[in-house]
Amino acid sequence: GAVVSQHPSRVICKSGTSVKIECRSLDFQATTMFWYRQFPKQSLMLMATSNEGSKATYEQGVEKDKFLINHASLTLSTLTVTSAHPEDSSFYICSARMWDRGNTEAFFGQGTRLTVV
Amino acid sequence: GEDVEQSLFLSVREGDSSVINCTYTDSSSTYLYWYKQEPGAGLQLLTYIFSNMDMKQDQRLTVLLNKKDKHLSLRIADTQTGDSAIYFCAERRYNQGGKLIFGQGTELSVKP
Repeated sequence: GAVVSQHPSRVICKSGTSVKIECRSLDFQATTMFWYRQFPKQSLMLMATSNEGSKATYEQGVEKDKFLINHASLTLSTLTVTSAHPEDSSFYICSARMWDRGNTEAFFGQGTRLTVV
Repeated sequence: GEDVEQSLFLSVREGDSSVINCTYTDSSSTYLYWYKQEPGAGLQLLTYIFSNMDMKQDQRLTVLLNKKDKHLSLRIADTQTGDSAIYFCAERRYNQGGKLIFGQGTELSVKP
């Protein structure tokens, strides 16, 4: 149990286009999902926290109009990188917190490698 | 400061024990976690410890917590080549909505 699936695992897009990344909790309900960005050889930087049915809370310095987050159900959150530029190239990882384990554990997706050319 | 600190690299021989250290900053943190990341992959939760515990053991893994010094360690017994990866510690900050703050990761290299 406790599987978080991210799709796609890799995506290459042209500069100026938008890319949507999906994060699904496959066998549990996730009240809260998190989106992180990771640069090579660096730690994970929290971008935003999304709760089902409400607006995402963005970390300082993260542009909410550029990184659109939708958490439409207890099993799905999406991150859309709008008007992507090469500097948006990065590894994006989502995680989901389990409702029925007292919110103690967060499980991570396998990540999405975004390359903007 | 705000950061969770880890040493960047650790190299051990197969069969030895590995000890990865971490210092965190927020005394209100309720849970502390260890994650493993293999190249190009997401994070795998290895173990976690509640802040009122000193030690937690799970098979080859032993977590020690010194709450006074805000120091956390992960010991891997009988380290194998398959343990080579990056290990992240993280603190769950109670006063910041429970968000996870990660260290910069320790790259463990296991030599045969």
